[in-house]
Amino acid sequence: NAGVMQNPRHLVRRRGQEARLRCSPMKGHSHVYWYRQLPEEGLKFMVYLQKENIIDESGMPKERFSAEFPKEGPSILRIQQVVRGDSAAYFCASSPTRASYQETQYFGPGTRLLVL
Amino acid sequence: TQLLEQSPQFLSIQEGENLTVYCNSSSVFSSLQWYRQEPGEGPVLLVTVVTGGEVKKLKRLTFQFGDARKDSSLHITAAQPGDTGLYLCAGLFGNEKLTFGTGTRLTIIP
Repeated sequence: NAGVMQNPRHLVRRRGQEARLRCSPMKGHSHVYWYRQLPEEGLKFMVYLQKENIIDESGMPKERFSAEFPKEGPSILRIQQVVRGDSAAYFCASSPTRASYQETQYFGPGTRLLVL
Repeated sequence: TQLLEQSPQFLSIQEGENLTVYCNSSSVFSSLQWYRQEPGEGPVLLVTVVTGGEVKKLKRLTFQFGDARKDSSLHITAAQPGDTGLYLCAGLFGNEKLTFGTGTRLTIIP
């Protein structure tokens, strides 16, 4: 059973370009979470999605960031007009149901975004 | 906004020594998790503690959840180079959104 897949693993963009990060959850998981990790820091929650629904986007910056989890295909985190401050590692996690102490979130290997 | 503070931020010790790292919050958790993250990888769950005062052991690792469920500790006995990594605690609060601590970067010197 494959784990959470993220691609690309590394992404380099110039300021002003768009970044698209993809996450395929574990088989059978319908809940996806995105986190951002800055160097030497812990992970910060960004958004929680179910298929075709955004459940909680309280951690998403108000502008330039969007996320989706379509009925078919991977979840996408999209960053428009990237700036240097967007450089970070972006992690996706999935769980079979809504996360609780009874359900573990399984993390992918992350996408390292570097904005030049 | 719930905050989790971990200490120390950095720790470097000799192989074979014992160590303890801490995770503290001003809020009560419904549960707390410990993760280890290696360079270039995502966090991997080590343990989940739910009950105040709970102690869980994972080989040489001992996890304790405070009685008031606002703090936790991770103790490693006879540290080995393979224990090197970033240790993260994460609290699950009422809204079931994981809040991560700042992390302890552990280096074990052979």
